[in-house]
Order: sequence, then C-alpha cells, then structure tokens
Amino acid sequence: DAGVTQSPTHLIKTRGQQVTLRCSPKSGHDTVSWYQQALGQGPQFIFQYYEEEERQRGNFPDRFSGHQFPNYSSELNVNALLLGDSALYLCASSLYLTDTQYFGPGTRLTVL
Amino acid sequence: AQSVTQLGSHVSVSEGALVLLRCNYSSSVPPYLFWYVQYPNQGLQLLLKYTSAATLVKGINGFEAEFKKSETSFHLTKPSAHMSDAAEYFCAVSDLKAAGNKLTFGGGTRVLVKP
Repeated sequence: DAGVTQSPTHLIKTRGQQVTLRCSPKSGHDTVSWYQQALGQGPQFIFQYYEEEERQRGNFPDRFSGHQFPNYSSELNVNALLLGDSALYLCASSLYLTDTQYFGPGTRLTVL
Repeated sequence: AQSVTQLGSHVSVSEGALVLLRCNYSSSVPPYLFWYVQYPNQGLQLLLKYTSAATLVKGINGFEAEFKKSETSFHLTKPSAHMSDAAEYFCAVSDLKAAGNKLTFGGGTRVLVKP
C-alpha cells in the first residue's frame, strides 16, 4: 500500500521565480492538505483540497495556489518566490472530514 | 481560533529514563488531538490520537498520552527512553469543521537521548 508521495525531494530557486510541487495521496484517500514548515518551527496549514476545490485556507498570500486533479493528486504553486518561502513543504492526505492525516516525506525548497 | 503550546523546545533524557513532553491546547469545540514524530529529513509520522473515546491513548513505539479536559492538556509519555526515540515531536489539534480537518501544530519539542 503506497503512502503519500511527493516530488521533487529538493528544489533550489531564486527570488522572483515560480515553483510547482507535486503530491500523490495515500491509496483510497480523497483529500489533500499542504503545510509549510520553516526551519525550527511546527508545520503551518496552507490549504486543503477536496473534489478539486479549495475547502479551507490558512493565512497565506495569494502567491500560494493549488490544484487537485480527478485522480486526487495535487499541486502546490508558489509565485514570485521570496527568501522567506524557503521551507519544507509537507503534503498530507486523508478521507474527507475524517480525523487522521498521513504525511509525505516533504519537498525541501531553498530560495536564493 | 485553535492553538497549541508545547512547553520546552528541547528535552534531554537518559536512555531508560521517563520521557515526558507537554502539550496544552486551546479550542472552542471538543478537540481532536494528535502527536506526530519527525525524524531528521523526514515527514511526520502519527504516534497517537485522541478522538473523544478513552482519555488515555496508547500509540506506537510504547508512547501514550492522557487527555485532561480540565487542564486542557494532552501530555505525551514513554516509561523508558530508547536511543531511537531521538527526534522532534509535534502536538496538533483539529476540530473537524464542516469545511475540513486542518491541523494546528505546536512549535515542537526536540528530544535528545543520552546513553
């Protein structure tokens, strides 16, 4: 049973560029959530997708956007990258409105 | 708004000693509470969860946590630390609103196990 997978593992970008991160949920799950974890901090909720729509959003600017595909996989897009966007980006999957989220290994984004 | 406070960003224990990690939460509705562990350069792994059943919850790797509503706490314990317990631990709360089940995390506690 495949767990949550994310790609790429690491990414280096420069300020002002755009980036796309990808996530495939655990088999059988229909909901994908994205979190940002800055160095030395706990994860912060970015947004959650279900039925290809954004259902909840955290306190992140519009530069952060997402998409969910019919096969439940998801993308996180960040435009106009800032140095402060450097972080580990975690994807989590679940069944909609159930209690447990399962996390992927993350994508480490470095913005120079 | 929900929030989580983890007391102590770093905890050092000797191998074989008790591990105690503290978590206090704030929630306007009955919460669902979670403990996750993160090993270096990895994602989060679920240790255990409280979802309004038994107040003493047992998880993986010998960890357990007790939900105390009166103290708004959900502290994590393990009777005897092992070297493999060295990691960062996160407490999280969710309220399963109709719109979704976002998690709100504490700042984490890094555990160092001394031989």
